[in-house]
Amino acid sequence: QQQVKQSPQSLIVQKGGISIINCAYENTAFDYFPWYQQFPGKGPALLIAIRPDVSEKKEGRFTISFNKSAKQFSLHIMDSQPGDSATYFCAAKESGTASKLTFGTGTRLQVTL
Amino acid sequence: NAGVTQTPKFQVLKTGQSMTLQCAQDMNHEYMSWYRQDPGMGLRLIHYSVGAGITDQGEVPNGYNVSRSTTEDFPLRLLSAAPSQTSVYFCASSYSPVGGWGTDTQYFGPGTRLTVL
Repeated sequence: QQQVKQSPQSLIVQKGGISIINCAYENTAFDYFPWYQQFPGKGPALLIAIRPDVSEKKEGRFTISFNKSAKQFSLHIMDSQPGDSATYFCAAKESGTASKLTFGTGTRLQVTL
Repeated sequence: NAGVTQTPKFQVLKTGQSMTLQCAQDMNHEYMSWYRQDPGMGLRLIHYSVGAGITDQGEVPNGYNVSRSTTEDFPLRLLSAAPSQTSVYFCASSYSPVGGWGTDTQYFGPGTRLTVL
């Protein structure tokens, strides 16, 4: 049973466009929601994270929107660049657990010229 | 700092063989984890450790053993490899608990690609 559902599986966006990746969860005990970026042949790297006490967090061109009542959160990449082409994973951590992350299945983003 | 290092990068095993995947970090991180990454399934937590001498199971622990005798090292042992363990394995570490209020960034190693025939 996938505790964190991620969509779409793949995404093609033109340079300068907005990339949007969505995640949904069921476990209301989740209290931390990070996004990771992974390039081919590399390990994932933390991109941005949010806690459920805020509805939005922005870091540069990357924004997380969080809807606690709908149990959904999304990653927006503004002004998408070819260098953003990578696989993106959402994740969630359950309250009271130390570093036990549950990951989504990933979204492969391709930004075209 | 070398960060999180993993060896080997690639490994091919026959069913029933045993091996140890090595993971080391030089950042004095207390928290370390092992994940496996399979196509279409994201990353799944195998085992994790909150400090030397303390380990716990993750989502998919069967077939894997871990121990943590030092802060720096967190090896993952496959006692009797099975084809279902063919995957890419990632080790990760952080100074404080992921999602905590301190320096909780989790750093991943480059991965070990394991094939079990």
